Amino acid sequence: DIQMTQSPSSLSVSVGDRVTITCRASQSISSFLNWYQQKPGKAPTLLIYAASNMQSGVPSRFSGSGSATDFTLTISSLQPEDFATYYCQQSYSPPYTFGQGTKLEIK
Amino acid sequence: QVQLQESGPGLVKPSETLSLTCTVSGGSISSYYWSWIRQSPGKGLEWIGSMSYRGSTNYNPSLKSRVTMSEDTSKNQFSLKLTSVTAADTAVYYCARFHLFQTSKWFDPWGQGTLVTVSS
Repeated sequence: DIQMTQSPSSLSVSVGDRVTITCRASQSISSFLNWYQQKPGKAPTLLIYAASNMQSGVPSRFSGSGSATDFTLTISSLQPEDFATYYCQQSYSPPYTFGQGTKLEIK
Repeated sequence: QVQLQESGPGLVKPSETLSLTCTVSGGSISSYYWSWIRQSPGKGLEWIGSMSYRGSTNYNPSLKSRVTMSEDTSKNQFSLKLTSVTAADTAVYYCARFHLFQTSKWFDPWGQGTLVTVSS
């Protein structure tokens, strides 16, 4: 199985901060990497697919980059509604695996 | 737009079979691929399996011996059966559309999720 490792596991941030979350794959996955946002008690929602493509309706402050084994999710200016947990997920080969999540907390 | 809703028992006894159904609205299950994903505190998000409306399936090897996914096109539903459950199968279970575009794949949208507890 391809292991997905996110860092950090949690992050204390303030509204307006620029946030970068890293996801590393245990082997090259080309650009087959997706990012999801999950709020407490809710299902994950898709933010970014294929490493850098923004899902329709996602605010432009979210962006994704990377290829092969190293990927980043960036939030350019954190808004109150962005406090959530973020997950990366590889779709290169089954079993499709997720990172352990990065929780954004209010500083 | 496509919406999904999981249904099924919230409590299952150890060694019994977990059965869940996902009802799709706003689109035909015959047009897409579908997946089950679960989330537990201990194991995080775990892909269970995916299937096409034609019935072809792909399961997580860690669960393959216990999992069956199937569809009911007349009801626009697909289902999950997980046999011989233990406490380790306690989780929130989500159904999701498995979106394929060229060679890329992703899960979107997801159902709201249903908590299944395995306990006697």
